[in-house]
Amino acid sequence: GAVVSQHPSWVICKSGTSVKIECRSLDFQATTMFWYRQFPKQSLMLMATSNEGSKATYEQGVEKDKFLINHASLTLSTLTVTSAHPEDSSFYICSACLGVNTEAFFGQGTRLTVV
Amino acid sequence: AQTVTQSQPEMSVQEAETVTLSCTYDTSESDYYLFWYKQPPSRQMILVIRQEAYKQQNATENRFSVNFQKAAKSFSLKISDSQLGDAAMYFCAYSGGGADGLTFGKGTHLIIQP
Repeated sequence: GAVVSQHPSWVICKSGTSVKIECRSLDFQATTMFWYRQFPKQSLMLMATSNEGSKATYEQGVEKDKFLINHASLTLSTLTVTSAHPEDSSFYICSACLGVNTEAFFGQGTRLTVV
Repeated sequence: AQTVTQSQPEMSVQEAETVTLSCTYDTSESDYYLFWYKQPPSRQMILVIRQEAYKQQNATENRFSVNFQKAAKSFSLKISDSQLGDAAMYFCAYSGGGADGLTFGKGTHLIIQP
């Protein structure tokens, strides 16, 4: 299947700093990528839909100024957690689809710890 | 809004036996897609099986099969001949298709007893 790579796998940052997470589709082009958040022992919650060349669409309750998404190319979407706080500590996962109505391929996730 | 419900937080099965994981969903759409994903301790999401709502035939992938009941909005996963490697969290998910993201259930932790 298609490969989606996420980087970094884990990151520890100080409160108040910003952290950028990259999501790359390695062997296909993805006009749409998705960002999810997963708290320990909980399910994945869709945060936003990242659209190449246009603004991201955020789910209700997700602060767009807090979680900046940029999808500058067909193979790369980035999620920047701005002014991170301990409550932002979580597991962030991206996914991408080969095409409309096709299987979603997931990155390996990024564990963010804010201290 | 669509919702996905998995009522079994944890299931346990003996190796080589069969286990069924339950999932119900709520939607007002007639065309949509349903998925079962596996998340092992590595936390990598792995697609187990997929079902298109317009297809009446239940999807099957080797030891994994689903019982899709559209009228009842039920989508259960049956794992036959359970193996130790099947131990993981299993998430049921819904997509409206197109450029929709996935709505996940809370997950079922599957334990395989050797």
